[in-house]
Amino acid sequence: DGGITQSPKYLFRKEGQNVTLSCEQNLNHDAMYWYRQDPGQGLRLIYYSQIVNDFQKGDIAEGYSVSREKKESFPLTVTSAQKNPTAFYLCASSIVIGGRATGQFFGPGTRLTVL
Amino acid sequence: GENVEQHPSTLSVQEGDSAVIKCTYSDSASNYFPWYKQELGKGPQLIIDIRSNVGEKKDQRIAVTLNKTAKHFSLHITETQPEDSAVYFCAASTSWESSASKIIFGSGTRLSIRP
Repeated sequence: DGGITQSPKYLFRKEGQNVTLSCEQNLNHDAMYWYRQDPGQGLRLIYYSQIVNDFQKGDIAEGYSVSREKKESFPLTVTSAQKNPTAFYLCASSIVIGGRATGQFFGPGTRLTVL
Repeated sequence: GENVEQHPSTLSVQEGDSAVIKCTYSDSASNYFPWYKQELGKGPQLIIDIRSNVGEKKDQRIAVTLNKTAKHFSLHITETQPEDSAVYFCAASTSWESSASKIIFGSGTRLSIRP
């Protein structure tokens, strides 16, 4: 089955520790994204990547880092510099067909809780 | 910056009745408008989308309308069913020249279907 997988589903971290969230897709999509969702709110873009070995900051990149060494993978590291990391993290991917954007397809999300 | 406003934030309708969610966008260059449905604890799922060269699109009980002049677009769900209960997000996108599409999300509408 084609799709986007995120792991783990739930993640607990002690304050001051870095943690890495996994995102893998087998849709052959070029672009991948990371969003943060807080309770009762919409999605805010953290980082995005248009192509392997390239990525750009989104609206709330401070305290986060990413890498894109493979087309299928776009891991997100939440560093200790992120002041309020407890949130629901969503990974997405998309493709452009004939110069026209398609909708982004989302993974199931990872809920991160900082203790 | 670009902004997408979504109303209402909560909506409760009787099963079998229709539900309407409305959004406005600020960037006149936006040309792609997806709608997402998010169930509790899951990632958003694309349910329907519309492009700026089309005024209306329908898929079974779901329809979306777009008024480019007024920068309004709406989601219409007819004959609502209990499984329609979820949070719905509208979004607007201006296609980037490369392979990624930056999507601005509305703040979401929590739809509840009363039996």
